[in-house]
Amino acid sequence: DAGVIQSPRHEVTEMGQEVTLRCKPISGHNSLFWYRQTMMRGLELLIYFNNNVPIDDSGMPEDRFSAKMPNASFSTLKIQPSEPRDSAVYFCASRFLGSSYNEQFFGPGTRLTVL
Amino acid sequence: QKEVEQNSGPLSVPEGAIASLNCTYSDRGSQSFFWYRQYSGKSPELIMFIYSNGDKEDGRFTAQLNKASQYVSLLIRDSQPSDSATYLCAVYPRGNNNDMRFGAGTRLTVKP
Repeated sequence: DAGVIQSPRHEVTEMGQEVTLRCKPISGHNSLFWYRQTMMRGLELLIYFNNNVPIDDSGMPEDRFSAKMPNASFSTLKIQPSEPRDSAVYFCASRFLGSSYNEQFFGPGTRLTVL
Repeated sequence: QKEVEQNSGPLSVPEGAIASLNCTYSDRGSQSFFWYRQYSGKSPELIMFIYSNGDKEDGRFTAQLNKASQYVSLLIRDSQPSDSATYLCAVYPRGNNNDMRFGAGTRLTVKP
């Protein structure tokens, strides 16, 4: 079975542009997480969904960030407008809520560079 | 105090030695504990999880949990150069199995 799929793998854009990151969770998983990783701040949870419903977006840094999950197999994280400080690796992770340990499985990440 | 603390390292061990990675957590009611391995430029990969006090072994890896001391560790026996990576400790806090809290990670280098 395929793991979590993310696209694009790399994104270079200019300040002020809109950026959309995409994620396909593991089939059958019902929770999806968006993380951001930087050297300075480590791995930070931005938002998560249970059964396609956003549960906690308190980690979203500001209104420029938004996330959607229109169905069980697709989610997007959008940054508009993007800023250089948004440069980071963005990971999507999924899990089956209700498994014994609720372990999360990560996608390969999108490396975002905002010039 | 950070919720999950790890020594950032780098930790360097010779090939064939035992690598010991340590993690402490602040929420005494935490339930589930995870170790992820992250190679440079790659995503975190789950290698172990543990929820009961004591040891849990999986191949060359042993996770150890001591809830009284709020301490979880990962031992890697017969360390190989391919084990060189950053190891992230992660915890679900009490009553919250959604917001996994990650430590900053310990960078391990295994020298041939």
